[in-house]
Amino acid sequence: EVQLVESGGGLVQPGGSLRLSCAASGFTFSGYAVSWVRQAPGKGLEWVSAISASGGSTYYADSVKGRFTISRDNSKNTLHLQMNSLRAEDTAVYYCAKDSEGYGSGTFDYWGQGTLVTVSS
Amino acid sequence: DIQMTQSPSSLSASVGDRVTITCRASQTISNYLNWYQQKPGKAPKLLIYAASSLQSGVPSRFSGSGSGTDFTLTISSLQPEDFATYYCQQSYNTLWTFGQGTKVEIK
Repeated sequence: EVQLVESGGGLVQPGGSLRLSCAASGFTFSGYAVSWVRQAPGKGLEWVSAISASGGSTYYADSVKGRFTISRDNSKNTLHLQMNSLRAEDTAVYYCAKDSEGYGSGTFDYWGQGTLVTVSS
Repeated sequence: DIQMTQSPSSLSASVGDRVTITCRASQTISNYLNWYQQKPGKAPKLLIYAASSLQSGVPSRFSGSGSGTDFTLTISSLQPEDFATYYCQQSYNTLWTFGQGTKVEIK
């Protein structure tokens, strides 16, 4: 059974940093791209960042480019999102989502339960 | 960025009704269109990929159609467990974008 379990969310002040993690199991993690998708309270879905299966290619939404860094450790089946210079508008539930392909097709066939990030003073 | 626009934003329907949700892309995206279902407090679930392919395990009452800029999600006979919010999403280019969502409520 495919499982994605996010962790690392919490309350952080504007300008602060936070590192999210996603532990994957039930599939060959190193064979698939993975993304972070967020959802602000009461709002819709917004794709944030993606990383290819090998980790050699990374992609970012304009709203987070230069502030967030995605990475993965295929030896530990773990995905990370380093978030710096956080703003109030980054407040959201952050989901880890498995891609259906290794290169990053943009089709997300499995999702984690999400972790809440709140940016507030 | 490719903008995705869904209509309606919400609808009320009864069990057994046929429900149709539309999604329009701001430029042609061929068939690179996915549909997701999200229930309150839960993660999204993939229903349809490549505009019309049913994800494994999804009931056959769900179907998708369209190509280019205009797409449709149809629920042939609405069931109690189908009351949720539905999102379309383009996977044409890497700056993947979602529609704003359509909330299907009980009439």
